[in-house]
Amino acid sequence: AQSVTQLGSHVSVSEGALVLLRCNYSSSVPPYLFWYVQYPNQGLQLLLKYTSAATLVKGINGFEAEFKKSETSFHLTKPSAHMSDAAEYFCAVSAPNVGSKIIFGSGTRLSIRP
Amino acid sequence: KAGVTQTPRYLIKTRGQQVTLSCSPISGHRSVSWYQQTPGQGLQFLFEYFSETQRNKGNFPGRFSGRQFSNSRSEMNVSTLELGDSALYLCASSLGEENQPQHFGDGTRLSIL
Repeated sequence: AQSVTQLGSHVSVSEGALVLLRCNYSSSVPPYLFWYVQYPNQGLQLLLKYTSAATLVKGINGFEAEFKKSETSFHLTKPSAHMSDAAEYFCAVSAPNVGSKIIFGSGTRLSIRP
Repeated sequence: KAGVTQTPRYLIKTRGQQVTLSCSPISGHRSVSWYQQTPGQGLQFLFEYFSETQRNKGNFPGRFSGRQFSNSRSEMNVSTLELGDSALYLCASSLGEENQPQHFGDGTRLSIL
């Protein structure tokens, strides 16, 4: 079975500071990993995905994530936070032979201080 | 390319009623998944339909059901509504392969009085 754990339900950073959102996964098989973002009153938007082609994955809006098998982690980073990055971020995992079923983490709300 | 469309956006019902939510996937997508999002339980997978067949199912009671039509549009039905069914219901579509990301609609916010 697959699962993800997001460390920190709320992260607050200053505008221009580094953003680091933590995600650890559990999977009995090589996983597919995703980061999604949700703005208020909207659905989820894909930021990036890992499917084993490269361990460092670049996504939209300047975000990237690094897959570390030894640490079972897939942390999301952005070098310089912008006010528009304030949103809720979800790490998610899928696996072979489960179709399109995705298991989501509990989410991390990112706040940006001016 | 049009995105995933969910209707209605907002819905208010009372306990004991039933409700049907609709989802139109992105053109060409054959998989439609449904999720329930609540502050307490987060995002929970309800079920997935692929080519008119339920391919995956989450851990929800039988009051929650769905179907998919030949044009890939999907509906979700909840019968005998309970207060705890108040949530944002999200629909997502994808091509159907396991490593493909899902594209989400903006959801239907269901409130039970």
